[in-house]
Amino acid sequence: NAGVMQNPRHLVRRRGQEARLRCSPMKGHSHVYWYRQLPEEGLKFMVYLQKENIIDESGMPKERFSAEFPKEGPSILRIQQVVRGDSAAYFCASSPGPAEQFFGPGTRLTVL
Amino acid sequence: AQKITQTQPGMFVQEKEAVTLDCTYDTSDQSYGLFWYKQPSSGEMIFLIYQGSYDEQNATEGRYSLNFQKARKSANLVISASQLGDSAMYFCAMREAGVGNQFYFGTGTSLTVIP
Repeated sequence: NAGVMQNPRHLVRRRGQEARLRCSPMKGHSHVYWYRQLPEEGLKFMVYLQKENIIDESGMPKERFSAEFPKEGPSILRIQQVVRGDSAAYFCASSPGPAEQFFGPGTRLTVL
Repeated sequence: AQKITQTQPGMFVQEKEAVTLDCTYDTSDQSYGLFWYKQPSSGEMIFLIYQGSYDEQNATEGRYSLNFQKARKSANLVISASQLGDSAMYFCAMREAGVGNQFYFGTGTSLTVIP
């Protein structure tokens, strides 16, 4: 049973471009969480999704950020018009329900 | 108020010695879970140990144990017989019961094991 997969592992974008981060949860997991880790900080919750539904997006910035978890395919975290402050590690976690979350390896986004 | 507080930005321990990493939490929920994760320099988050709020015994997993003091709202991680490979960032996290089930993370403690 493969773990949580995230791609790409590293992503470089110029200011103003779009960044798309993908997360494939573990098999059988229908709950996906996205977290952001700024340099020298802990992880901060962004959004919680179940298939085709956003359950809690209280940690998402109001503009430029969006997330989806379609019926088929991976969960996508999309950042439009990236700025230097978006540079961070973005972690996805999945769970089969309200229990322990299994983390992916993260995507490191660098905005030039 | 911070949900999770880790007051030790950096710690050093001699190889083969034990070390305690501090964590205090803040919640008004009766049902919650406490977790410790290790983040080596490669960046992945590795689950170490879990303690439920209703668990009466302190959790143990190999060389890791969690010193759970509910009245003081502390959940310190104890690593026994430290190894060089234990050098990493350590994060304490809490999940409250409820719809979101999001994790709240502390700012982490950087542990360096000295040979």
